[in-house]
Amino acid sequence: QVQLVQSGAEVKKPGASVKVSCKASGYTFTGYYIHWVRQAPGQGFEWMGWVIPDSGGTNYAQKFQGRVTMTRDTSISTAYMELSRLRSDDTAVYYCARGDVVTSLLPWGQGTLVTVSS
Amino acid sequence: EIVLTQSPGTLSLSPGDRATLSCRASQSVSSSYLAWYQQKPGQAPRLLIYGVSSRATDIPDRFSGSGSGTDFTLTISRLEPEDFAVYYCQQYGSSPLTFGGGTKVEIK
Repeated sequence: QVQLVQSGAEVKKPGASVKVSCKASGYTFTGYYIHWVRQAPGQGFEWMGWVIPDSGGTNYAQKFQGRVTMTRDTSISTAYMELSRLRSDDTAVYYCARGDVVTSLLPWGQGTLVTVSS
Repeated sequence: EIVLTQSPGTLSLSPGDRATLSCRASQSVSSSYLAWYQQKPGQAPRLLIYGVSSRATDIPDRFSGSGSGTDFTLTISRLEPEDFAVYYCQQYGSSPLTFGGGTKVEIK
C-alpha cells in the first residue's frame, strides 16, 4: 500500500537546523510531488512547500524562503525537509504528504515532532 | 493567497445528529480544488473529500461535500461515535496551498 514513513522526533536549540526525512513506498516515487506541512501545538496546518522527486524542482511558501530546503534521493525513494535558524515558534509536528493534482494530499506521513527549546 | 474561513469553530452534537460544516474562501477556488480532512488527537489528517464532492477511498457515504466558487459545505448525515474530531478544509487550486482553521465536532 502507498505509505510515507518519517524520521523520529527531534529536540533542537534555537539557531540550529533540523532535517526530517520521508521515505515513500508502494508507488513510483518520481511520479508525485512531496509536500511538507506543519502543525504547531493546538493549531491548524501551515503549508511549507513541495519538491518534485523527478527533477528536484521546489516551490517554497514565502514565509519560509531562505530558511527551508527540500531535497530528495530517488535511489532510496526519500524526501527531505531541512529548516535552519530554528526559533521556539518552529516547534511543531512536521508532515510530509504525497501530492496529487486530483486528490490533493494523500497519504500523509505519521508526522515528526520538532521541539525547539534552549 | 486564498484565505479559508471555517464555521462554526465548535459544533456540539449527539450521535445520530446531522452535522453541517462551512468553509468560505476569500476568492474563488480554482477548478473546484477543495478538500476536506478529518483529524483525531495524535493522528495525521485523513482525506475525506476531494474535488469538492468526491469521497476518498473507504470513506463512508454519510460524508458528503458540496459547494462552488467561494462557499463549500461538508455534511455528515448521521454522526457515529468515531466521527467526533476536528475537520479542516483545504484548497489546492492555487499556490500557496491553504487550510481553514478547523471545526471541532464534539459530543454534546
